[in-house]
Amino acid sequence: AQKVTQAQTEISVVEKEDVTLDCVYETRDTTYYLFWYKQPPSGELVFLIRRNSFDEQNEISGRYSWNFQKSTSSFNFTITASQVVDSAVYFCALSEDNYGQNFVFGPGTRLSVLP
Amino acid sequence: ETGVTQTPRHLVMGMTNKKSLKCEQHLGHNAMYWYKQSAKKPLELMFVYSLEERVENNSVPSRFSPECPNSSHLFLHLHTLQPEDSALYLCASSQANRGGQPQHFGDGTRLSIL
Repeated sequence: AQKVTQAQTEISVVEKEDVTLDCVYETRDTTYYLFWYKQPPSGELVFLIRRNSFDEQNEISGRYSWNFQKSTSSFNFTITASQVVDSAVYFCALSEDNYGQNFVFGPGTRLSVLP
Repeated sequence: ETGVTQTPRHLVMGMTNKKSLKCEQHLGHNAMYWYKQSAKKPLELMFVYSLEERVENNSVPSRFSPECPNSSHLFLHLHTLQPEDSALYLCASSQANRGGQPQHFGDGTRLSIL
């Protein structure tokens, strides 16, 4: 069975600090996909990144970076020089389904960036 | 036009009312989803439609009734709801015949049951 754990329920940082959000997953499949979403107070989940299980290259997009390590079943998300607009709930998700239908979401981490 | 649009944004209803939530996607996707998001709980997948056929129904009470008339529209019909049904209801869509496609979400309908 697939499972996603985000052990950090809430994190508070001061603006310009770096912050890492942890995600640990469980799956028996060799082919799977990992995702991060951001949910600002408005409610919409915004897709940030997708990784497939065969691509362990880390990725950087502006102030965002992702560290995928199959050996520890982790897909961590780092925000560098955080800003108040980064305040949101962040969800990690796993899909084993080749049709992209069966997503399992983690419980989310609420990030508060204080000015 | 935003990718996935949900109406209404907010809905307050009594337990005996009947109402419907609407979702429309403008992304050309062929799968649509309903999720329930309650406070302090993970996102719960309620229904999945792929090519307008319902492919998943995760033990959702019959007071929730989905309808997918075409690949761009999805409804959730509500009747005789309970206070514990108060939550944010999120609609999503994706291209379901290609592996690993992300789901794209609407802003949600915040439902309050009196």
